[in-house]
Amino acid sequence: DVKVTQSSRYLVKRTGEKVFLECVQDMDHENMFWYRQDPGLGLRLIYFSYDVKMKEKGDIPEGYSVSREKKERFSLILESASTNQTSMYLCASSLGWERRSNQPQHFGDGTRLSIL
Amino acid sequence: DAKTTQPNSMESNEEEPVHLPCNHSTISGTDYIHWYRQLPSQGPEYVIHGLTSNVNNRMASLAIAEDRKSSTLILHRATLRDAAVYYCILPRYNFNKFYFGSGTKLNVKP
Repeated sequence: DVKVTQSSRYLVKRTGEKVFLECVQDMDHENMFWYRQDPGLGLRLIYFSYDVKMKEKGDIPEGYSVSREKKERFSLILESASTNQTSMYLCASSLGWERRSNQPQHFGDGTRLSIL
Repeated sequence: DAKTTQPNSMESNEEEPVHLPCNHSTISGTDYIHWYRQLPSQGPEYVIHGLTSNVNNRMASLAIAEDRKSSTLILHRATLRDAAVYYCILPRYNFNKFYFGSGTKLNVKP
């Protein structure tokens, strides 16, 4: 089974801090994604990556950046955390479209981040 | 982007079949139909996906209408562990970008 592991289930940080959320997948997937989930707003795509060192903005990239130095690892960075970034963050991975299109995404269990 | 419409909530009795509907009247010919579910305090979990033909796997069955404008996820015997929010999604082709709506919250009664 595919396993997507997020480094923390719960995280509390202060306003202005630089925050790193880490995600690792063990299935050699090309695509990796970061979402945030908020009540009433569903899941919203922040960034995705289709290869090492490649990234594309999703629908709400403001205030975030990402890093993908190795195929299995995708990091989400909050450059200067703010209270409106308090949310559940979800990482996902999938096979690349070059191999097969419309592949399922496999999700981690999420990191619940609170910014005080 | 193709949009999906699902009921906000449904209720089922344990060990009975459950049919979860989804309307996607603006679906294009290349859109696959994906279903995910999310249990409390967990990330979404892939359930099943299909293009035109009905699909079965160990978790569920997917029935797709002939005109593809609607589909139904079928849980053959609901258990308490099936209580979750179920999402019907039509991924965009490029890079499998998924748009999750509000889904259907399934409540299973013992």
